[in-house]
Amino acid sequence: GAVVSQHPSWVICKSGTSVKIECRSLDFQATTMFWYRQFPKQSLMLMATSNEGSKATYEQGVEKDKFLINHASLTLSTLTVTSAHPEDSSFYICSAQEEGMSTDTQYFGPGTRLTVL
Amino acid sequence: GEDVEQSLFLSVREGDSSVINCTYTDSSSTYLYWYKQEPGAGLQLLTYIFSNMDMKQDQRLTVLLNKKDKHLSLRIADTQTGDSAIYFCADSSDSSYKLIFGSGTRLLVRP
Repeated sequence: GAVVSQHPSWVICKSGTSVKIECRSLDFQATTMFWYRQFPKQSLMLMATSNEGSKATYEQGVEKDKFLINHASLTLSTLTVTSAHPEDSSFYICSAQEEGMSTDTQYFGPGTRLTVL
Repeated sequence: GEDVEQSLFLSVREGDSSVINCTYTDSSSTYLYWYKQEPGAGLQLLTYIFSNMDMKQDQRLTVLLNKKDKHLSLRIADTQTGDSAIYFCADSSDSSYKLIFGSGTRLLVRP
């Protein structure tokens, strides 16, 4: 149980285009999902917290107009990188917390590697 | 702010035990987690411990928590080559649903 998927697993795009990444909880409902980015050989950096049916909460320094997050249902959150630039190239990982659980356990997706040319 | 620190690298021989250490600063931690990340993959939850526990054992994994010193460790018994990965400890605060991650410890298991 507690499986989280991401799509696509990797994407290459041209500078200036937008890319959408999906995060799905496959066998549980997630009221809260999180989006992270990870640079090579570094830890995870939390970008934003996404709650179903409400606006995402962005961490300091993360541009909300550039990284659009939509959490339309209890099983799906999307991250859209708008007007992508090479510096946006990174590994993006989402996680989900199961609704109603007593712990704060986050279950992670497999990640999406974005390369912007 | 809250901080979680780990040593960056650990090398052990196959069959030996591995001990990965982590320190944290948050006094209001409720749960502490260990995650494993293999190359190019997401994070896999290994185990977690509630802050009022001292120890938790799960098959080859033993978690020790010293709340006074804010020190957490993960012991892997009979380490195998498949255990080679990056291990992250993470701290959740009572006041937030967020996880604060350490920098990760790269474990290399030598045959």
